Amino acid sequence: AQRVTQPEKLLSVFKGAPVELKCNYSYSGSPELFWYVQYSRQRLQLLLRHISRESIKGFTADLNKGETSFHLKKPFAQEEDSAMYYCALSGSYNNAGNMLTFGGGTRLMVKP
Amino acid sequence: DSGVTQTPKHLITATGQRVTLRCSPRSGDLSVYWYQQSLDQGLQFLIQYYNGEERAKGNILERFSAQQFPDLHSELNLSSLELGDSALYFCASSVGDKNIQYFGAGTRLSVL
Repeated sequence: AQRVTQPEKLLSVFKGAPVELKCNYSYSGSPELFWYVQYSRQRLQLLLRHISRESIKGFTADLNKGETSFHLKKPFAQEEDSAMYYCALSGSYNNAGNMLTFGGGTRLMVKP
Repeated sequence: DSGVTQTPKHLITATGQRVTLRCSPRSGDLSVYWYQQSLDQGLQFLIQYYNGEERAKGNILERFSAQQFPDLHSELNLSSLELGDSALYFCASSVGDKNIQYFGAGTRLSVL
């Protein structure tokens, strides 16, 4: 079974401080991992995809297969980063389909 | 705007009733996914359709059913509603069977 764990429900930091949102997963195959973000009153938006290895809005995430982690990092948090962040794993269901398994989410609050 | 359209935005109904949620995918997307977001269960995958056919099934109750029509829009039918069915129901779409999923704004269902 596939599982995604985000251990922190709430992370509060000051503007300019570094941010790390933790994500751990369990999956028997080769995982594809994502970070989605949900700003207040908006829909879920894709933030990062591990295979693209890019930086979006200053955020990066590295897949660590040894530690089964995909932590999201940003060196200097901005107030506009305040949102709900979901880590998600894409895995096939009985070798068919493309279900996303989500973690419980972490609410990031960036204080001025 | 991701282009995935869900209607209605809000739905208030009573226990025992039946409702239909509608989703129009992004232009050109063949896959449609349904997810349920509740306070206690988080975001959970319900079902995926690809080009009109069921592709993958998750934790979807027998009281719930879905279909994808020839024009690729999808409907999620929820029957014999219970208080615990109150949740946000998200639809997502992707180009193919295993691509990035783009989410709609969701339908908030309140069962009273």
